[in-house]
Amino acid sequence: DAKTTQPTSMDCAEGRAANLPCNHSTISGNEYVYWYRQIHSQGPQYIIHGLKNNETNEMASLIITEDRKSSTLILPHATLRDTAVYYCIVDNAGNMLTFGGGTRLMVKP
Amino acid sequence: EPEVTQTPSHQVTQMGQEVILRCVPISNHLYFYWYRQILGQKVEFLVSFYNNEISEKSEIFDDQFSVERPDGSNFTLKIRSTKLEDSAMYFCASGGQGASLGFFGQGTRLTVV
Repeated sequence: DAKTTQPTSMDCAEGRAANLPCNHSTISGNEYVYWYRQIHSQGPQYIIHGLKNNETNEMASLIITEDRKSSTLILPHATLRDTAVYYCIVDNAGNMLTFGGGTRLMVKP
Repeated sequence: EPEVTQTPSHQVTQMGQEVILRCVPISNHLYFYWYRQILGQKVEFLVSFYNNEISEKSEIFDDQFSVERPDGSNFTLKIRSTKLEDSAMYFCASGGQGASLGFFGQGTRLTVV
């Protein structure tokens, strides 16, 4: 049973902001929102996570709606190297991450 | 920047043989995981390990699989008798704060022939 819904694929122009949406309407109060990405067949790479508040780090920003039913990952200036599959995962800091199909982001010149 | 390292990067083995996949987690991490990804499919959880014991495992992690932390630095996944369907990328991950926050290695590509 999928906890998150993401578009299958998205395109973004190089240098522009990439906004990746995620719906998690059944999220419970103690569940965090995590974002990972996987470039080609490399290991998943942690990007950012949050509970309620918006978060920003050197890679991205995470915007979580007030009702926490959806979130958006923002890559402010996408580069070709940001082409990857992006996974939105909700979890209560338990013992495992459940990966869905993710969003395949293609950054184009 | 500290990272999780995995060896070998690629292993080819004959069906029925035992394989050991090795991982060196980030040094101060307490939570350790194995995941796998069959070509073209999703990343799947196999097992988590904390305080020198398995804390959770998936249906995939049957009696043919075992994990061990033989010393203070290594974390291994053993497959006793490999099957063709065990061919996949195997990822090790470790976490420090909060079990879900895993940092992944670059994987071992296991090919069973």
